Amino acid sequence: DQQVKQNSPSLSVQEGRISILNCDYTNSMFDYFLWYKKYPAEGPTFLISISSIKDKNEDGRFTVFLNKSAKHLSLHIVPSQPGDSAVYFCAASENNDMRFGAGTRLTVKP
Amino acid sequence: DTGVSQDPRHKITKRGQNVTFRCDPISEHNRLYWYRQTLGQGPEFLTYFQNEAQLEKSRLLSDRFSAERPKGSFSTLEIQRTEQGDSAMYLCASSLGPVGVMRGYTFGSGTRLTVV
Repeated sequence: DQQVKQNSPSLSVQEGRISILNCDYTNSMFDYFLWYKKYPAEGPTFLISISSIKDKNEDGRFTVFLNKSAKHLSLHIVPSQPGDSAVYFCAASENNDMRFGAGTRLTVKP
Repeated sequence: DTGVSQDPRHKITKRGQNVTFRCDPISEHNRLYWYRQTLGQGPEFLTYFQNEAQLEKSRLLSDRFSAERPKGSFSTLEIQRTEQGDSAMYLCASSLGPVGVMRGYTFGSGTRLTVV
């Protein structure tokens, strides 16, 4: 059962523009939502997270938005840089049972 | 401390052989997780330790899989009688306490298993 879904396998944006990565979930009991970034031949790296009681969390160029009524979250990267090119995984946690989406490959073109 | 270390990075084995992977977490982290990732998918939870106690196991962890964390430090994941369907990236992660805001798991680089 896929409780966390990333429906876009890939996204391409121009350097300097905004990247928006989307994620949908089905389990309303998730208490934290996280984004991870993964480069080839490396493990996922934690990027940013948000508690289910918040609707926005910002860290530098990265902002995560949570819409609980729609069971949807998104990651905004502004401005996008070529070094941001990687696979981004959305994850959701319920009592430390963390589920991951299938990932979205972001390509930022110079 | 350089992060979570996994050994080996790559393992090629013949079907039916046993394999064992090792994970060294960040030293002060009391929680250790094993995940499996196949091509085009996100990491899937296998099992989780708090200190030396194995607290949770996924139904993905068949009886051919066993994990240990004998002294609450490093962990091993053994797969017996490997099958081609076991081919995947096996990821280890650790954390100090539960997931929180701005606090996720720290993953290692993984062990890529190929069963031929």
